[in-house]
Amino acid sequence: GQNIDQPTEMTATEGAIVQINCTYQTSGFNGLFWYQQHAGEAPTFLSYNVLDGLEEKGRFSSFLSRSKGYSYLLLKELQMKDSASYLCAPMDSNYQLIWGAGTKLIIKP
Amino acid sequence: NAGVTQTPKFRVLKTGQSMTLLCAQDMNHEYMYWYRQDPGMGLRLIHYSVGEGTTAKGEVPDGYNVSRLKKQNFLLGLESAAPSQTSVYFCASRELAGGPTGELFFGEGSRLTVL
Repeated sequence: GQNIDQPTEMTATEGAIVQINCTYQTSGFNGLFWYQQHAGEAPTFLSYNVLDGLEEKGRFSSFLSRSKGYSYLLLKELQMKDSASYLCAPMDSNYQLIWGAGTKLIIKP
Repeated sequence: NAGVTQTPKFRVLKTGQSMTLLCAQDMNHEYMYWYRQDPGMGLRLIHYSVGEGTTAKGEVPDGYNVSRLKKQNFLLGLESAAPSQTSVYFCASRELAGGPTGELFFGEGSRLTVL
């Protein structure tokens, strides 16, 4: 079966760094997306990885290890506006995104 | 730049009533999707379409029907609403199926309550 595992909730301090982990099992693999979703809003695209390694985009970076079925999202210089849920979504052999339940990130001053 | 627009944004139904959710996109995307999102669960795919005139079942299609008569519109219908269909519904579209351009663009969501 297909399965995504992320921590349910994490807390971090403004200005700090946080790493959100995601492990996955899918039928085939065609890349992995990370989305951000603020409460009551729609998900918005953050990153896409298809090859092993780190992709950096400003304060956000995403890492992928295909052999381990593992990805993480790294958020640096945390701001209060980063309080949101972060959704890990690998793409299976049919190019369908398989969604995890998301990690709710709480930023404290 | 409207992107993906869903109507209505909110709706309250009684058990057994029917309704249609409309999704419209102005990005000329081929692929369109309907998801539902419930607390503590990931987005679950209801139905999707890979082009005008096509539809396919997703993970949780029971109790829903869809139509894609025009490329820009994707309709989700509930023929006889049940309390288990209380959820937030998201429509999404994308240009291509794979690669970095496989990014999904989401509508704002439609919050449906079935009493």
